[in-house]
Amino acid sequence: GAGVSQSPSNKVTEKGKDVELRCDPISGHTALYWYRQSLGQGLEFLIYFQGNSAPDKSGLPSDRFSAERTGGSVSTLTIQRTQQEDSAVYLCASRWIGVTEAFFGQGTRLTVV
Amino acid sequence: AQSVTQLDSQVPVFEEAPVELRCNYSSSVSVYLFWYVQYPNQGLQLLLKYLSGSTLVKGINGFEAEFNKSQTSFHLRKPSVHISDTAEYFCAVSEEGNKLVFGAGTILRVKS
Repeated sequence: GAGVSQSPSNKVTEKGKDVELRCDPISGHTALYWYRQSLGQGLEFLIYFQGNSAPDKSGLPSDRFSAERTGGSVSTLTIQRTQQEDSAVYLCASRWIGVTEAFFGQGTRLTVV
Repeated sequence: AQSVTQLDSQVPVFEEAPVELRCNYSSSVSVYLFWYVQYPNQGLQLLLKYLSGSTLVKGINGFEAEFNKSQTSFHLRKPSVHISDTAEYFCAVSEEGNKLVFGAGTILRVKS
């Protein structure tokens, strides 16, 4: 596609439920990032995939959070047993290894009620 | 490990005045530096980037930034701001092949 696509754009879920957020990166981009943007908190790094290397999971806030990237393309961020503090905008970005700027999707706004 | 500090959380400024948004980074190796902008209710877009070469880089909408290796800074400047520049600005650093780390952001509020 022409840009990074994220779905859904908005998600409201009940506390305790699991959610899956999807990211379709730009075709050919080898690097993929997930960030969380909370009000007044900037962009919090969550996880980074680069090609076939092991992902950098150092930003995941708890073991309720996980992510995978299948076939080096689409990525899914899963949050289990959601809590109210998980409410935020989750942003995905992709980047081609030879080009260093990252392109962002529009984000998924997650609201846990 | 790389990190980014944006020294001002909010910067109010009058229209047509100059502005500087400060950014300092820490890294033990060569880095790439970026400024992204997020307009209200929109996604992030690249404003400008420093990869190598000239330390003064120009971006979109009249913004520019200067890379200062000795001070580990990459401050963003514009000589005359417009109301439409009201947005949140993020500085970011990336070591080659490594993750992209962002600062906490600076909200620029341009007043008429």
